[in-house]
Amino acid sequence: QQQVKQSPQSLIVQKGGISIINCAYENTAFDYFPWYQQFPGKGPALLIAIRPDVSEKKEGRFTISFNKSAKQFSLHIMDSQPGDSATYFCAATYPPNDYKLSFGAGTTVTVRA
Amino acid sequence: NAGVTQTPKFRVLKTGQSMTLLCAQDMNHEYMYWYRQDPGMGLRLIHYSVGEGTTAKGEVPDGYNVSRLKKQNFLLGLESAAPSQTSVYFCASSFYEKLFFGSGTQLSVL
Repeated sequence: QQQVKQSPQSLIVQKGGISIINCAYENTAFDYFPWYQQFPGKGPALLIAIRPDVSEKKEGRFTISFNKSAKQFSLHIMDSQPGDSATYFCAATYPPNDYKLSFGAGTTVTVRA
Repeated sequence: NAGVTQTPKFRVLKTGQSMTLLCAQDMNHEYMYWYRQDPGMGLRLIHYSVGEGTTAKGEVPDGYNVSRLKKQNFLLGLESAAPSQTSVYFCASSFYEKLFFGSGTQLSVL
């Protein structure tokens, strides 16, 4: 049973558009919420992360929005580019938990030129 | 700078065969993990280690064993492979909450 539920499973967006991926969790002990990006044939790599004390974090074209009361967080990819085509995983962990991450099922994003 | 290196990259086994997957990291990280990735299920933790000589069970440990004899290496073993273990296996090491992943091993069990 996944502790982090992620949607949609896949999405297609036109170049320049906005990609939005949503995640929901139940465990209120979670206090670190990263997003990982994975290209075909590669391992996941940390993209951006947020802690519950802020509602939004932005790094370049990537933004995490966090809603603590709703137990939801989302990744927004602004001005999507073909190079953003990848699988994105949300995740969560809590202390002390040996930094073990619970991952969502993943979202495959395809950006059409 | 190699980071996390996994060997082999691909392997095909017959049911009942055994094999060992090797993970090596050069970042001097204490924590190491083995995950499996299956379509629609994300990454699930198999076993992990918090330091040399330690191992612990993750979410899906059945059918797997691990060893961490040296800080830089983390081995994942399948004693008697089953078709349900067909998957892509990822090793990772961590610096606090940030995980660094290898490029994966694609394993098929026929």
